[in-house]
Amino acid sequence: DTAVSQTPKYLVTQMGNDKSIKCEQNLGHDTMYWYKQDSKKFLKIMFSYNNKELIINETVPNRFSPKSPDKAHLNLHINSLELGDSAVYFCASSLRRGSRSYNEQFFGPGTRLTVL
Amino acid sequence: AQSVSQHNHHVILSEAASLELGCNYSYGGTVNLFWYVQYPGQHLQLLLKYFSGDPLVKGIKGFEAEFIKSKFSFNLRKPSVQWSDTAEYFCAVNANNNNDMRFGAGTRLTVKP
Repeated sequence: DTAVSQTPKYLVTQMGNDKSIKCEQNLGHDTMYWYKQDSKKFLKIMFSYNNKELIINETVPNRFSPKSPDKAHLNLHINSLELGDSAVYFCASSLRRGSRSYNEQFFGPGTRLTVL
Repeated sequence: AQSVSQHNHHVILSEAASLELGCNYSYGGTVNLFWYVQYPGQHLQLLLKYFSGDPLVKGIKGFEAEFIKSKFSFNLRKPSVQWSDTAEYFCAVNANNNNDMRFGAGTRLTVKP
């Protein structure tokens, strides 16, 4: 199936641990994103990569580090997890055609992170 | 940078009632506009989008939205809601020349059977 996939779907861990979430898209898109959705459903962009280059880096703690090994993958590594990191993290992708960004974003299923 | 406001935080309707969810954005240039829906426990799915042309956009599942440039609005409508429309609805906007999409805070729609 063509889609945006994320692993794991659920992640429960202790404070202070380091964890990674992986995202892959097979839609041929060149831009990928990480969003954080808190308990009130507020959706906030964290990072965006276009052709493996970081283009959006919102005010996010340094403990969060995205890595894009290629256009189809964007991983999120989180160091020293805190209680406030508990949220659902969504990966998304889109295609930038020429100079115009159509930016219809396709979302992954989300990773529910719970920090105890 | 652009921003998006959704005025209704929680809307409760009975089946067959008509729906209108407000969305206003602030940005002076050309924008692309979107409505996404998130069913309980699921990811965001695109309902409809506006890039250019006819300001009345029809989407999936009987939804439509109207872009009114003078009011910076892109309200979502459906003439008759169903119980299965219960979900969170997000309006989003991005400027025509960048990848930065901004989402509204979302509106929770509850449809009572």
